[in-house]
Amino acid sequence: AQSVSQHNHHVILSEAASLELGCNYSYGGTVNLFWYVQYPGQHLQLLLKYFSGDPLVKGIKGFEAEFIKSKFSFNLRKPSVQWSDTAEYFCAVSRRGGATNKLIFGTGTLLAVQP
Amino acid sequence: SQTIHQWPATLVQPVGSPLSLECTVEGTSNPNLYWYRQAAGRGLQLLFYSVGIGQISSEVPQNLSASRPQDRQFILSSKKLLLSDSGFYLCAWSVLVLSHGPPMVDNSSPLHFGNGTRLTVT
Repeated sequence: AQSVSQHNHHVILSEAASLELGCNYSYGGTVNLFWYVQYPGQHLQLLLKYFSGDPLVKGIKGFEAEFIKSKFSFNLRKPSVQWSDTAEYFCAVSRRGGATNKLIFGTGTLLAVQP
Repeated sequence: SQTIHQWPATLVQPVGSPLSLECTVEGTSNPNLYWYRQAAGRGLQLLFYSVGIGQISSEVPQNLSASRPQDRQFILSSKKLLLSDSGFYLCAWSVLVLSHGPPMVDNSSPLHFGNGTRLTVT
């Protein structure tokens, strides 16, 4: 069965620190990979996505993620976090093609950035 | 532009009472529709998805059911709520491309989520 693992459940950083959130997936086929973010009091929104091509994907607000197929990983990174990055981050995977784009999510990582 | 509406935003219901959560999408046709539940420390769990009117797929056995009476309407229901049904319920949609062959998902379309419903069963 498909699954997504996010290793860090709660991360606390100071402003300007670098961020890396781990994500590993388990799936035996071709996948699409996503990172979603949920800011306090807001709805879930897309941060970045990978379908094909360059395994280094750049998203909004300075975030990027690297797909490493051999490691089944899609880690999220940001060189210098800001207080406004405080949010919950979800990694997700879906099967490429087919009639539905249903996503399997990880358990989420709560990031708190201290000013 | 496309929008997704979910209501109510919050709901407190006693154990054993029925449930009906509604989700509607505007600005698109033939969307894929999804119900997710978000529980603390458990991420988002896919409950149901639908690729068309009257077509419902259930991902996990549970006390809930879903229906899609119209193209852009997705309803989550229960006849008798349990305490364990408490949680944050999210509706979402994605684009479905209809072709000469089987319907295919638009790989460039992520899921778009509604604002969610916070359900507390007491």
